[in-house]
Amino acid sequence: QVHLMESGGGLVKPGGSLRLSCSASGFTFNDYYMSWIRQTPGRGLEWLSYTRQSGDYTKYADSLKGRFTVSRDNAKKMLYLQMTDLSGDDTAVYYCARGDTTADSWGQGTLVTVSS
Amino acid sequence: EIVLTQSPATLSLSPGARATLSCRASQSVGSFLAWYQQKPGQAPRLLMSDASTRAAGIPARFSGSGSGTDFTLTISSLEPEDFAVYYCQQRYIWLTFGGGTKVEIK
Repeated sequence: QVHLMESGGGLVKPGGSLRLSCSASGFTFNDYYMSWIRQTPGRGLEWLSYTRQSGDYTKYADSLKGRFTVSRDNAKKMLYLQMTDLSGDDTAVYYCARGDTTADSWGQGTLVTVSS
Repeated sequence: EIVLTQSPATLSLSPGARATLSCRASQSVGSFLAWYQQKPGQAPRLLMSDASTRAAGIPARFSGSGSGTDFTLTISSLEPEDFAVYYCQQRYIWLTFGGGTKVEIK
């Protein structure tokens, strides 16, 4: 069955950077768009980005202002989210999900906390 | 940005009751609306896409309806495992979620 597992979350200082990873299994990874979505108690669920199967096209939420970059390694069945210039507003649980505009499978999430 | 408003915020019902959840969009989203279920400590799970198409493995007691700006998710007879938070999400202009409706045991 489809399995997605995020890693790389943790505590980071304001202005810092972090890279999240998502390992995929149970499906043909390079057949699917993949997405990153985050969730906070205050702002709820926020779709951050989705990337095409080949990784040659990625769309981002305007709110990210170019601070986040998504990449994928189809050979390794991995999805990545590079986050820079982090602030407290980026504190959230980050999910990777299968799909571009509808997320039909989700990982369990990884918590990112931005604090000094 | 398309804003999705879900109501009520909390629905208190007994097992076996019928649940009717509403999602209203700030402008038309056609039928490009999905519903998700989230239980405590878990990721959301896709229930419905394109307003009324059940996702794989979703029981028939879940049904979706609506188009344009007004959508409904109906659970015909609540099972114990259905008590959770439900979110709607549109994909007409970018991708946004509603604030959720919590279905709790009365």
